[in-house]
Amino acid sequence: SQQGEEDPQALSIQEGENATMNCSYKTSINNLQWYRQNSGRGLVHLILIRSNEREKHSGRLRVTLDTSKKSSSLLITASRAADTASYFCATEGANDYKLSFGAGTTVTVRA
Amino acid sequence: GAVVSQHPSRVICKSGTSVKIECRSLDFQATTMFWYRQFPKKSLMLMATSNEGSKATYEQGVEKDKFLINHASLTLSTLTVTSAHPEDSSFYICSARRGTYEQYFGPGTRLTVT
Repeated sequence: SQQGEEDPQALSIQEGENATMNCSYKTSINNLQWYRQNSGRGLVHLILIRSNEREKHSGRLRVTLDTSKKSSSLLITASRAADTASYFCATEGANDYKLSFGAGTTVTVRA
Repeated sequence: GAVVSQHPSRVICKSGTSVKIECRSLDFQATTMFWYRQFPKKSLMLMATSNEGSKATYEQGVEKDKFLINHASLTLSTLTVTSAHPEDSSFYICSARRGTYEQYFGPGTRLTVT
């Protein structure tokens, strides 16, 4: 079942700007993961944040997790045209290994 | 990183025929694989969990007789769409779990039923 809601649905920014997208979920989780998908392609794993972590960095990516609000954010700094893609959050439930995906945010970076 | 392949990448079939999609973990053994379905501009919906050597676990609303899953080895799971209909046209993606947290996704298979 799908439990993540993402906001915004679509985002258009200029190259060099930052892009921020948010994800909310409903149930207890083991971890939350962010993926990128280029049009018509498979998913690329970006970053995983565990339920006991609050913030994580990987290159130009910064992820935060607030378990009290059941929400996460993904920040892409200094965006590039190659960052144009759909971004999905996915939560792994506390009781199983299944991933529930959010609806996704489509990011367009204009050159 | 770990590599998961899917074959075929695209398939077009006639209504009423069956189509088999393969998912392989190329450089690791996966006791658990997952099958997802994705509609255009939509998110991934988990269809079933495929466990090596045992029956797959299907999500609510997924017809197990229509979407047959076989996980015969630690590196291969297959999804067979039986008696395909145009509404089965979709993008099917598999993933393979390695370790406690890591899932690696295949590149997807675009199925078009005419």
